[in-house]
Amino acid sequence: AQSVTQLGSHVSVSEGALVLLRCNYSSSVPPYLFWYVQYPNQGLQLLLKYTSAATLVKGINGFEAEFKKSETSFHLTKPSAHMSDAAEYFCAVSRTGGFKTIFGAGTRLFVKA
Amino acid sequence: DAGVIQSPRHEVTEMGQEVTLRCKPISGHDYLFWYRQTMMRGLELLIYFNNNVPIDDSGMPEDRFSAKMPNASFSTLKIQPSEPRDSAVYFCASRPLPGQGANGANVLTFGAGSRLTVL
Repeated sequence: AQSVTQLGSHVSVSEGALVLLRCNYSSSVPPYLFWYVQYPNQGLQLLLKYTSAATLVKGINGFEAEFKKSETSFHLTKPSAHMSDAAEYFCAVSRTGGFKTIFGAGTRLFVKA
Repeated sequence: DAGVIQSPRHEVTEMGQEVTLRCKPISGHDYLFWYRQTMMRGLELLIYFNNNVPIDDSGMPEDRFSAKMPNASFSTLKIQPSEPRDSAVYFCASRPLPGQGANGANVLTFGAGSRLTVL
């Protein structure tokens, strides 16, 4: 079975500060891992994905995530937060060749001016 | 492509009424998923289809919920009768075969959601 745990339902940072959103996964087989972002009143959009190629994955809007198998983690980072980054972020896992995508509970990011 | 299209965007109804939510997936996507999002339970997978056939409906909360996909371009999620605890945002998402598509690798494309309020 697969699962995802996101540490922290809310994260608050100042504009220009580092963004770190934590995600740990559980999977009995090599996983595909994803970060999605949801802006208010919108559906989820893909931010980036890991598919067993490079362990450091770069996504849109300056975000990146590193796959660490030894730590079963896939944390999302951005060096400098912008007000427009305020949104809810979801980590997700899918089995290679599988069909279901399992989402974490989400982390709401607040950016202070 | 216009993306995944959901309707209605907002629905307010009274307890006991029938609710029908609609979804048009991206053309060529073989998989369609219905998710429900609430504050308490987060994003839950309700059911998914492959080539119009329901594959896994284990997430459907109870018999009041039903979903159909009569053809490759249309799916419905029906709640009958509706209850206040059904209030949520319902998302439809689609994706191509594993490893295919512009993004490949099981990437889901979500619709904007249908916000349901049952009074």
